[in-house]
Amino acid sequence: AQSVTQLDSHVSVSEGTPVLLRCNYSSSYSPSLFWYVQHPNKGLQLLLKYTSAATLVKGINGFEAEFKKSETSFHLTKPSAHMSDAAEYFCVVTSGGTSYGKLTFGQGTILTVHP
Amino acid sequence: GAGVSQSPSNKVTEKGKDVELRCDPISGHTALYWYRQSLGQGLEFLIYFQGNSAPDKSGLPSDRFSAERTGGSVSTLTIQRTQQEDSAVYLCASLPRTSGNYEQYFGPGTRLTVT
Repeated sequence: AQSVTQLDSHVSVSEGTPVLLRCNYSSSYSPSLFWYVQHPNKGLQLLLKYTSAATLVKGINGFEAEFKKSETSFHLTKPSAHMSDAAEYFCVVTSGGTSYGKLTFGQGTILTVHP
Repeated sequence: GAGVSQSPSNKVTEKGKDVELRCDPISGHTALYWYRQSLGQGLEFLIYFQGNSAPDKSGLPSDRFSAERTGGSVSTLTIQRTQQEDSAVYLCASLPRTSGNYEQYFGPGTRLTVT
């Protein structure tokens, strides 16, 4: 079994300040973890992924995430928010075993960026 | 190259009618998934195809929902006797048969509205 909990449904930051979107997961097998972003009325876009290589993963648009097995966390960060970062972000887990790569999504975090 | 495509992009139907939603995966991708994104439920897995077979149908919410895939390519999701609670965005994703790398490529979705 696998599950994802995004700890904040909404996060609001000012432009130029750091972003932190929190995610905890559980998985019976070694997980692969992803962050996807969805801008209003747009499709899902992959930001970054962890698949058991380096624990610090760099993605597009300056985002990065750190896999911490001891804390079962995969928080998404960005040093300086931009107005274009305003969107909904999904933390996603999948694993081997019988999951066939089935993705389990968190409930999403809506990021608002203020000028 | 071409990504995952879905049609129609929007569908409005009357309660009780049947609808068919189509997904064209990326050429060569053997695995195909359907997800549903609805208010209050987030993103939910519906069904998984490997080639033309569906080893995991566990996410289909009722027997009004069915899906098939032909030629290891195009997939059709059919909803019979639609209900208002079926209103959602239906997303399709595909990936190559690659162990340990479950990055899925999403289509733009079909927005279904049942009136």
